[in-house]
Amino acid sequence: DAKTTQPPSMDCAEGRAANLPCNHSTISGNEYVYWYRQIHSQGPQYIIHGLKNNETNEMASLIITEDRKSSTLILPHATLRDTAVYYCIVLRGALNFGKGTSLLVTP
Amino acid sequence: NAGVTQTPKFRILKIGQSMTLQCAQDMNHNYMYWYRQDPGMGLKLIYYSVGAGITDKGEVPNGYNVSRSTTEDFPLRLELAAPSQTSVYFCATTPGRYGAPVTLHFGNGTRLTVT
Repeated sequence: DAKTTQPPSMDCAEGRAANLPCNHSTISGNEYVYWYRQIHSQGPQYIIHGLKNNETNEMASLIITEDRKSSTLILPHATLRDTAVYYCIVLRGALNFGKGTSLLVTP
Repeated sequence: NAGVTQTPKFRILKIGQSMTLQCAQDMNHNYMYWYRQDPGMGLKLIYYSVGAGITDKGEVPNGYNVSRSTTEDFPLRLELAAPSQTSVYFCATTPGRYGAPVTLHFGNGTRLTVT
């Protein structure tokens, strides 16, 4: 599987943008980048995915570099409820989740 | 529409006992997955199924068995429980075709302790 690298933890002040980076330097041309998050001990929740172009939905924005070797998930106005572990995944076969980034949003 | 339902929510097993973790979905999704999550770790894929009658191994299949006789159900069987199987087990589904964009729908998990 294409591997991803994420920082283990990040902090963000409430109301500010949270920018979560992910490196996926071995990604191949037809592989999508997915982002999920896991709040406390619940099942992971799908956030967004993309192939080449930047994507935006009601939850977040996904910025993928032109060479596709890295991406950034942006939560434009983080709230306390966005505190979670965020997983960046490149699909080859079934989705395999790494350790992700633990995001702490502080008041 | 209940989505993905996992039962039981919690279970304590003695070493060597067996049990079946149940997963049911009402979304008519073809693809179903079983993951385990150890404390502080990410999710690891145990088994998956691309449709009724078809199953395949994931990253950590040893000690587990699955079956998929219907689209709705994908039970996970532990035959001889071991302490190393203490974990949280998540079932997930997706409507997508294998290899196509995948948006997984997860259940709320089964917390299993083997002592």
